[in-house]
Amino acid sequence: GQQLNQSPQSMFIQEGEDVSMNCTSSSIFNTWLWYKQEPGEGPVLLIALYKAGELTSNGRLTAQFGITRKDSFLNISASIPSDVGIYFCAGLRASYDKVIFGPGTSLSVIP
Amino acid sequence: EAGVTQFPSHSVIEKGQTVTLRCDPISGHDNLYWYRRVMGKEIKFLLHFVKESKQDESGMPNNRFLAERTGGTYSTLKVQPAELEDSGVYFCASSPGSAAATLRGQYFGPGTRLTVT
Repeated sequence: GQQLNQSPQSMFIQEGEDVSMNCTSSSIFNTWLWYKQEPGEGPVLLIALYKAGELTSNGRLTAQFGITRKDSFLNISASIPSDVGIYFCAGLRASYDKVIFGPGTSLSVIP
Repeated sequence: EAGVTQFPSHSVIEKGQTVTLRCDPISGHDNLYWYRRVMGKEIKFLLHFVKESKQDESGMPNNRFLAERTGGTYSTLKVQPAELEDSGVYFCASSPGSAAATLRGQYFGPGTRLTVT
């Protein structure tokens, strides 16, 4: 079946540093999604990407939909303690389809 | 607007027992999805309802799992009998009926943490 790989698996950074995480797939997706999960909560959508090459920002977050449609990255600038959580990349092949999740990148921010 | 709610938040049961999880989607959302995250692994799709009909149940692990959505509102996921490997966090998600809205992503509930001992 389809599989997404995320790197790194975990990150420990100092407050104020920039963060970059990647996601790759063995197959093409038509929509890439980035979710964040905090303890005790469900995943919350951060950014959705719909076109190959698309670069989208949401505050301090920036994500790009790779040209091959098989990869995406998420950058967080000037990290703050509340950025702590697990970041999941996810793909959708079509509307109404199931979301395929990556294994997640666990982010810890040291004040 | 209330988000997706799930009940219970935690459940600890013994192997062989039955557990029923409940999900209330966002009001008016036709699409309802169940996902599961087993310890340390990725969140995996279980099934998808459109209103009261099962659209895709390809992710259901086996016939010990039964999902229903009577009346097209809330949904239940029953595990009977529960096994140790069923432990994990079960998420429910919902999305509106339009294709365009669905592409903007699904809204997830907080999950039910199931522990089978």
